[in-house]
Amino acid sequence: EAGVAQSPRYKIIEKRQSVAFWCNPISGHATLYWYQQILGQGPKLLIQFQNNGVVDDSQLPKDRFSAERLKGVDSTLKIQPAKLEDSAVYLCASSQTTGARGQPQHFGDGTRLSIL
Amino acid sequence: QKEVEQDPGPLSVPEGAIVSLNCTYSNSAFQYFMWYRQYSRKGPELLMYTYSSGNKEDGRFTAQVDKSSKYISLFIRDSQPSDSATYLCAMRTGANSKLTFGKGITLSVRP
Repeated sequence: EAGVAQSPRYKIIEKRQSVAFWCNPISGHATLYWYQQILGQGPKLLIQFQNNGVVDDSQLPKDRFSAERLKGVDSTLKIQPAKLEDSAVYLCASSQTTGARGQPQHFGDGTRLSIL
Repeated sequence: QKEVEQDPGPLSVPEGAIVSLNCTYSNSAFQYFMWYRQYSRKGPELLMYTYSSGNKEDGRFTAQVDKSSKYISLFIRDSQPSDSATYLCAMRTGANSKLTFGKGITLSVRP
């Protein structure tokens, strides 16, 4: 089974520029998550999609971050304009939604973003 | 108080040692408990997934959940250099809700 694919692996931009990340979840996984992992911290959820609908975006800084999941498969996360504090690894995860006790989330290797 | 607290590291042990990693939490609504392993420059990899209280064993790994004490543990037996990584505890309230992570602890197993 192919894992969660993310690109690019690394991105360096200057503050106030824009950047976009792409995620392709595991085939058949209806739920997709974007997490932000700052160095030395655990991942923090930014947004959760169920198919192409948003389930939870309460921690997404909506003045600069946006995300979409067209057709309920691939997803993109965008930052515009970027700030220095956005330097982090952006992780995408996906899970199935079958079973009363849910399914574990599987993570991609992330995009490492550096803001200069 | 953070929702999930994880023992600070780093932790260094000799090969073959038994390792104990721990997390405490404050939200009594958490029902699903996970341990992830994260190698440098890689994404978190699921190690253990448990529901409610009790023990779960998988090879050299044992996960324990004590909901009455709001405490979870991961034990690694016969630790190997390949176990050197950051270990993250994570938990969630519902079957498909978001994960809340601890900060992670970096483990180094010396040959």
